[in-house]
Amino acid sequence: DVQLLESGGGLVQPGGSLRLSCAASGFTFTSYAMIWVRQAPGKGLEWVSSISGDGKSTVYADSVKGRFTISRDNSKNTLYLQMSSLRAEDTAVYYCAKTSHDYGDPKRAFDIWGQGTMVTVSS
Amino acid sequence: DIQLTQSPSFLSASVGDRVTITCRASQGISSSLAWYQQKPGRAPKLLIYGASTLQSGVPSSFSGSGSGTQFTLTISSLQPEDFATYYCQQLNSYPYTFGQGTKLEIK
Repeated sequence: DVQLLESGGGLVQPGGSLRLSCAASGFTFTSYAMIWVRQAPGKGLEWVSSISGDGKSTVYADSVKGRFTISRDNSKNTLYLQMSSLRAEDTAVYYCAKTSHDYGDPKRAFDIWGQGTMVTVSS
Repeated sequence: DIQLTQSPSFLSASVGDRVTITCRASQGISSSLAWYQQKPGRAPKLLIYGASTLQSGVPSSFSGSGSGTQFTLTISSLQPEDFATYYCQQLNSYPYTFGQGTKLEIK
C-alpha cells in the first residue's frame, strides 16, 4: 500500500524549533515531488513548502520563508520539515503529501496524504 | 498570489440531492485545479484533478468541470458519507492556494 506517516509534532515554546518527518512507502519516492500542507485549528488548508524528487529544488510560502527548511533523504524514503523561530500562528496539523504529476502539468495534485502531526506553539 | 473563492461556504442538503460547489480563481489557471474532501479529524482526500478527471476509486457521483477562472464540483446524488468539507486548490503556479472550503451538512 502507498503510505505516508508523519512524526515529530508536539508542544514547543515560541521561538523554538522542531523537525517533522514523513516516512514514505509503497511507491518510488525519488520519482515524485513532495509537499507539506498545514491546517490551523478550525481553519482551512495552507500549502507550506514543496521539494523536487531529487531534492535540488525547493519552494516556500512567504509565511514560513527563512524559518522553515524542507529536505528529503531519498536513501531513507523520508521527507523532513525543519521549523525554527516558531510562532503561535504556526500552530497547526502538518500534513505531508505526494504530488501526482510534474510541475506545470495541469493534472498535478496531491494524491496521497499522511495522517498529519500536530504542532502547538505556546508558552 | 492567485485567490480562490468557493461558494457557498456552507451548504445544507439531503441524501439523494444533487449539489454543486463553485470555485472562482482571481486569474486564469487553465485546468490546473483539484478538489479535495475532508472529514473531521482526517486528512484531505483527492477527488478530482485537472479540473475534471476523477481520481481512481472515487465514486462516479462526483464530477468536476470548468477551465480558466470558473470551476464546479457536482455530486449527483448525495450519500451519507459525502457530508464533509470540500476544498478546491490551484496548482497553476506557486504559491499553491486553496479555497476557503465548503462545509456540506445534512439537512
